[in-house]
Amino acid sequence: DIVMTQSPDSLAVSLGERATINCKSSQTVLHSSNNRNYLAWYQQKTGQPPKILFYWASTRQSGAPDRFSVSGSGTDFTLTISSLQAEDVAVYYCQQYFGIPQTFGQGTKVEIK
Amino acid sequence: ETQLLESGGGLVQPGGSLRLSCAASGFTFSDYAMSWVRQAPGKGLEWVSVISGGSDTTQYADSVKGRFTISRDNSRNTLYLQMNSLRAEDTAVYHCAKLGCTGISCYCNLWGQGSLVTVSS
Repeated sequence: DIVMTQSPDSLAVSLGERATINCKSSQTVLHSSNNRNYLAWYQQKTGQPPKILFYWASTRQSGAPDRFSVSGSGTDFTLTISSLQAEDVAVYYCQQYFGIPQTFGQGTKVEIK
Repeated sequence: ETQLLESGGGLVQPGGSLRLSCAASGFTFSDYAMSWVRQAPGKGLEWVSVISGGSDTTQYADSVKGRFTISRDNSRNTLYLQMNSLRAEDTAVYHCAKLGCTGISCYCNLWGQGSLVTVSS
């Protein structure tokens, strides 16, 4: 199984400041046949289902705010919130869909400092 | 409106069975693969199973293989999860999710609110 490890487990950031979440996979999720990274990022607010932010590692889902950005390829990925807003308080998950079982990171809880 | 609505959850004794349903609307159901993802209380997301748009491919997490069966009825725009031999560790909110592709190697771009399954005596 591909193990997805996120860091940190939680972080507290002041409003307007930057938040950075890392996601590392135990093996590459870059498919050589199409040069696509089979990685997605989700946001889950309390009491709500997850909502997709990015897929194919860097394709922004319609409606995802511009303050969210991503980087990375292969085994190392990063989600950045450039200027944290109150509505960004949530748990963020990365997911690989390269292999079966599809696996999620353990989640990173983002709070306001 | 594009949405997924789960039903069928509840309290069941260990060893019992339950069938979850997920009614889809607002998109061409048969064009997309579908998944079940669960979340134990206070825990993270765990992928459970996936089925391709035409039902020709299904896959399961090892933790449910041989006990759970995913299926779909494209004429009814409905996804199912038959859960047998339930264990306490199966207690979770079960979300159905629409994938962004017909095939199973794809991201989840629409999630239902979830249905709570509690396995307890």
